[in-house]
Amino acid sequence: QKEVEQNSGPLSVPEGAIASLNCTYSDRGSQSFFWYRQYSGKSPELIMFIYSNGDKEDGRFTAQLNKASQYVSLLIRDSQPSDSATYLCAVKRGNQGGKLIFGQGTELSVKP
Amino acid sequence: EAQVTQNPRYLITVTGKKLTVTCSQNMNHEYMSWYRQDPGLGLRQIYYSMNVEVTDKGDVPEGYKVSRKEKRNFPLILESPSPNQTSLYFCASSPRTGPTYEQYFGPGTRLTVT
Repeated sequence: QKEVEQNSGPLSVPEGAIASLNCTYSDRGSQSFFWYRQYSGKSPELIMFIYSNGDKEDGRFTAQLNKASQYVSLLIRDSQPSDSATYLCAVKRGNQGGKLIFGQGTELSVKP
Repeated sequence: EAQVTQNPRYLITVTGKKLTVTCSQNMNHEYMSWYRQDPGLGLRQIYYSMNVEVTDKGDVPEGYKVSRKEKRNFPLILESPSPNQTSLYFCASSPRTGPTYEQYFGPGTRLTVT
């Protein structure tokens, strides 16, 4: 079992719809959770991070964390074609310093 | 501008020819890390450094070396590159190692070893 798992996709949604991206993790010692967006051939850029159970909203993006079920999700409201990218879920454990463990990423395609 | 820079951005080389990929950050970050990204395997950590003169292996360190003589620089050295090191490489830095600190990524170096 991979430590951080994401559906590779592609996930296709129409413009204006809500895109829902999911991530599960195996280590209950994981403390913080990051969502990065990566356009093809470019470097990952941070969208949000979350470390408390519940929801965290930033503009069109909402991160949801459920530590009991060991999953974290990212919702993108009013999806735009410019949101088409690969979304990487990354996890930090409490006892491993700054190490980020990445999932494989979910490719999102927003169709006009 | 706060940033992480990498050089070169693209490199084609031959098996066995030593090379160095430089990484530099201007944000006075303590933590720096190297990743490689391969299709289907995601981002995997090669080496990391928690501060000057402190480095440690990540998940895939074989065939790589690093050094951290200055806080801002963290070069990645391939002493004898092989074709299986063909990949997209990213350097990243973070202010500290705590759970709430994000990592900032450089633009990437696409390496091809023939």
